[in-house]
Amino acid sequence: AQKVTQAQTEISVVEKEDVTLDCVYETRDTTYYLFWYKQPPSGELVFLIRRNSFDEQNEISGRYSWNFQKSTSSFNFTITASQVVDSAVYFCALTPAGGYQKVTFGIGTKLQVIP
Amino acid sequence: DVKVTQSSRYLVKRTGEKVFLECVQDMDHENMFWYRQDPGLGLRLIYFSYDVKMKEKGDIPEGYSVSREKKERFSLILESASTNQTSMYLCASTLTTSSYEQYFGPGTRLTVT
Repeated sequence: AQKVTQAQTEISVVEKEDVTLDCVYETRDTTYYLFWYKQPPSGELVFLIRRNSFDEQNEISGRYSWNFQKSTSSFNFTITASQVVDSAVYFCALTPAGGYQKVTFGIGTKLQVIP
Repeated sequence: DVKVTQSSRYLVKRTGEKVFLECVQDMDHENMFWYRQDPGLGLRLIYFSYDVKMKEKGDIPEGYSVSREKKERFSLILESASTNQTSMYLCASTLTTSSYEQYFGPGTRLTVT
């Protein structure tokens, strides 16, 4: 069975601080995909990134960066120089590669960026 | 841009009523999904469909059924609504089985009284 753990339920930071959102996963599959989604107050989840289990290279996109470490089964998300618009709930998710896409989501981390 | 729309943002129903939640996507996506989102539980998959008239149970299908008569439309049905089905319901779609990136609708907040 798959499992995604986001131990931080709520985080508050002051604007311009860096913040890291943790994600730890469990799976028996050898190939899988990991994701991060953002859910702003409007409610609609927005896709941020997908990472293949074979690709452990870190990724950077503007102020966002992701650190995938297979050895610790973690896929952490860092926001550099946080902004008020980053306030949202962030979900980490996991699905096995191939076949039908039964995605397992974490419970989400609510990030509040204080001006 | 892919657009996933849901028929209502807010819905209030009485216990025992039959409830239909509609989801439509406009980009010819093959796969569609229904989740419910509850505080402290994240998103849980209710049902998904990988083709017209095809459906698969997710993690929490009890009390729900689905219908997919047309590729663009995926309906979630609560046969006899109960108060424990008060929740946020999210619809999502993906282009193909191998595309994985899910596009979500805005959600329907259902209250059953």
